[in-house]
Amino acid sequence: GDSVTQMEGPVTLSEEAFLTINCTYTATGYPSLFWYVQYPGEGLQLLLKATKADDKGSNKGFEATYRKETTSFHLEKGSVQVSDSAVYFCALSDGGTSYGKLTFGQGTILTVHP
Amino acid sequence: DAGVTQSPTHLIKTRGQQVTLRCSPISGHKSVSWYQQVLGQGPQFIFQYYEKEERGRGNFPDRFSARQFPNYSSELNVNALLLGDSALYLCASSLGQGSYNEQFFGPGTRLTVL
Repeated sequence: GDSVTQMEGPVTLSEEAFLTINCTYTATGYPSLFWYVQYPGEGLQLLLKATKADDKGSNKGFEATYRKETTSFHLEKGSVQVSDSAVYFCALSDGGTSYGKLTFGQGTILTVHP
Repeated sequence: DAGVTQSPTHLIKTRGQQVTLRCSPISGHKSVSWYQQVLGQGPQFIFQYYEKEERGRGNFPDRFSARQFPNYSSELNVNALLLGDSALYLCASSLGQGSYNEQFFGPGTRLTVL
């Protein structure tokens, strides 16, 4: 079945540092890929997405590129802020199904210090 | 516009009891999905409902059931609660049922089973 694997956390960075959170996936067909963010006490918010190979999703300074050859969708940001502290989830939606089931990774806790 | 709303926010039950969780989707959204998020893990898909019919089901026992009403709100029921059912239950709504439809998440209901 489909699966998503994220780098183990937690990740602790200083403000303005470069961020990379690794994500690899296993899926049949041609999935869409997503990054969601969860702030303390809140639900999930869609951060960015990519629907086909070589697409780059971007939002709020975050970027991720859909790499079919390496089955990866790594999240990057050039300069993190304290307000970026949250839990980040990589997810996929299998385009082969008729319904919108999301398969999530285990999440990566990011803490950014001033 | 209001986002996805869920009630109650928190709930404490004992083993063997039954619980009902409620979700109101974003106005105009016809699809509702339910996810279970155990502490420290990513959300796991439970159900998707679209136009009041079950369209997808995850790997959960028959103790879990759901329904969708004519106004597209939804209830998730869990019978014979186990300690392992303690989790954050997330509801997500989308315009349609397909995998290309963006899902918007509510803040969740935190269920504790003692």
